Amino acid sequence: QQQVKQSPQSLIVQKGGISIINCAYENTAFDYFPWYQQFPGKGPALLIAIRPDVSEKKEGRFTISFNKSAKQFSLHIMDSQPGDSATYFCAARGNRGSTLGRLYFGRGTQLTVWP
Amino acid sequence: DGGITQSPKYLFRKEGQNVTLSCEQNLNHDAMYWYRQDPGQGLRLIYYSQIVNDFQKGDIAEGYSVSREKKESFPLTVTSAQKNPTAFYLCASEVWGTGELFFGEGSRLTVL
Repeated sequence: QQQVKQSPQSLIVQKGGISIINCAYENTAFDYFPWYQQFPGKGPALLIAIRPDVSEKKEGRFTISFNKSAKQFSLHIMDSQPGDSATYFCAARGNRGSTLGRLYFGRGTQLTVWP
Repeated sequence: DGGITQSPKYLFRKEGQNVTLSCEQNLNHDAMYWYRQDPGQGLRLIYYSQIVNDFQKGDIAEGYSVSREKKESFPLTVTSAQKNPTAFYLCASEVWGTGELFFGEGSRLTVL
């Protein structure tokens, strides 16, 4: 059972455009929502994260939007650059019972930004 | 520099052989994790450990084994019982429960 559903699986964006990746979850026992960025042949690295008491968080060109009632959150990359080409994973952290402290990852979105 | 070191980076083995992947961290993190990554499957949790001498099965533990004898080390053995072992394996660590995982660069295992 996929705890966090991520879409699209792949995304192609022109340089300077906006990249949008969406995630949705069912379990309300999540309290932290990070995004990880992975370049080919490397391990993922934390990019940006948000807590559910905030509806938006921005760091440079990267913004997370969070909709608690809809159980959805999304990553927006403004002015996308070829160097942003990577695989992006959303995740959610459990906060009770058997899920406590565990991260549940989406299946990833492969972003290609072409010049 | 602090970080996670995985070795080997590439490994080829014959079917039926056990293989051990190394993971060492010098971040002083209590929690360590092993994930398997396959195309289109995301990151699937194999095993995790919150403290030394204790570890828990993740979602796909069958055919794998781990040990946690030292805080810095969390080796993963891919046994001959794992039906489809060819994959990219990632080790990670964190201060337990923060959600900020630090990943190694991965080990790519190919079983011939």
